Amino acid sequence: QKEVEQNSGPLSVPEGAIASLNCTYSDRGSQSFFWYRQYSGKSPELIMFIYSNGDKEDGRFTAQLNKASQYVSLLIRDSQPSDSATYLCAVNGDSWGKLQFGAGTQVVVTP
Amino acid sequence: DAMVIQNPRYQVTQFGKPVTLSCSQTLNHNVMYWYQQKSSQAPKLLFHYYDKDFNNEADTPDNFQSRRPNTSFCFLDIRSPGLGDAAMYLCATSREPGLVGGETQYFGPGTRLLVL
Repeated sequence: QKEVEQNSGPLSVPEGAIASLNCTYSDRGSQSFFWYRQYSGKSPELIMFIYSNGDKEDGRFTAQLNKASQYVSLLIRDSQPSDSATYLCAVNGDSWGKLQFGAGTQVVVTP
Repeated sequence: DAMVIQNPRYQVTQFGKPVTLSCSQTLNHNVMYWYQQKSSQAPKLLFHYYDKDFNNEADTPDNFQSRRPNTSFCFLDIRSPGLGDAAMYLCATSREPGLVGGETQYFGPGTRLLVL
């Protein structure tokens, strides 16, 4: 059973601070990794994806991947109240492109 | 803008009354997926189509069926909805698995189903 684990939170972050979200996965053959943001009652929205070990930056977001330790993380710099949402980690290891989702980490940014 | 569209956004049905949810895409993607998501849970994959090839997840109830008449459209049929089927139903697409970036999934806005 392939598993993707995330802390459910809520992760409370002061406005302007850095939010750090972690995700671990069980399938060592996984090749691509995704972070989605989901506002309450809305559908998941892609933030970024990462394939290679190391860091990938996109605006205020940085994804970090360590395949040896089987974890992927997301940093949100200068957190804003609009970043308050659930963040879903998704992992692909299937030739059909199927994604395994974690249950998500709820982030609450407090003014 | 290229997008994934779902209709209706909200659907109310009665226990046991068949319901159909629709999804269309202007992205010209090869793969279309249907997910079920309940509150505070991860999206659960029901099935997906690679072009016209249908792939059912092993634990998807027989009560759920799908059709993809062409590249742009995909339908989810729930033959006899039960109270436990109340959820958000998400349609997603991806361009081409196996290509770098090609497996990235893009979601429609979802259809929230309420069963009375």
